[in-house]
Amino acid sequence: EPEVTQTPSHQVTQMGQEVILRCVPISNHLYFYWYRQILGQKVEFLVSFYNNEISEKSEIFDDQFSVERPDGSNFTLKIRSTKLEDSAMYFCASSNTGGIDEQYFGPGTRLTVT
Amino acid sequence: AQSVTQLDSHVSVSEGTPVLLRCNYSSSYSPSLFWYVQHPNKGLQLLLKYTSAATLVKGINGFEAEFKKSETSFHLTKPSAHMSDAAEYFCVVSDTGFQKLVFGTGTRLLVSP
Repeated sequence: EPEVTQTPSHQVTQMGQEVILRCVPISNHLYFYWYRQILGQKVEFLVSFYNNEISEKSEIFDDQFSVERPDGSNFTLKIRSTKLEDSAMYFCASSNTGGIDEQYFGPGTRLTVT
Repeated sequence: AQSVTQLDSHVSVSEGTPVLLRCNYSSSYSPSLFWYVQHPNKGLQLLLKYTSAATLVKGINGFEAEFKKSETSFHLTKPSAHMSDAAEYFCVVSDTGFQKLVFGTGTRLLVSP
């Protein structure tokens, strides 16, 4: 069964450093998403991406964040200058048609900012 | 704005007994509702979804949920719990036509032998 994969599973970085989280969505999917879950809190939407552009973003997704689909398979989330409060589990998801269609989630990348 | 409230942070049951995980939603539009499950160190897996078809929705692993518009509820049930059901369960809402999912705070299901 096709699945969303994410690398790395755990990333430790120092405050102020740039990090790139990588995701490989399901191959025929067209809509891509990032969510995050701070320890002990709910899963929060960050951004959705379709047709090579951001279709929706949350207030969390400020100028420090960016997303990119650099080739036909990868989908990345970049944090330019990490803060302690960026420590969280980051989930990538993809869906075939967007809207009410099911989103398939990856296993997550745990980001720890020290 | 759409939101969901999961009424219990933890639910404990014995193996073989029924499971009830409660969820209430708030939405301005006709909502799509989902239940996702997260096992330790695993991604979020879809259990079932409601998208304005039948109000009683059957999902994987024997779970089902009933959409009740009058009560704005979407409770998750299973007749008989199994040890492998122990996990975190998330009630999720998505307004029709919008892409983002809005998650509840989660309910941790504990199953004892």
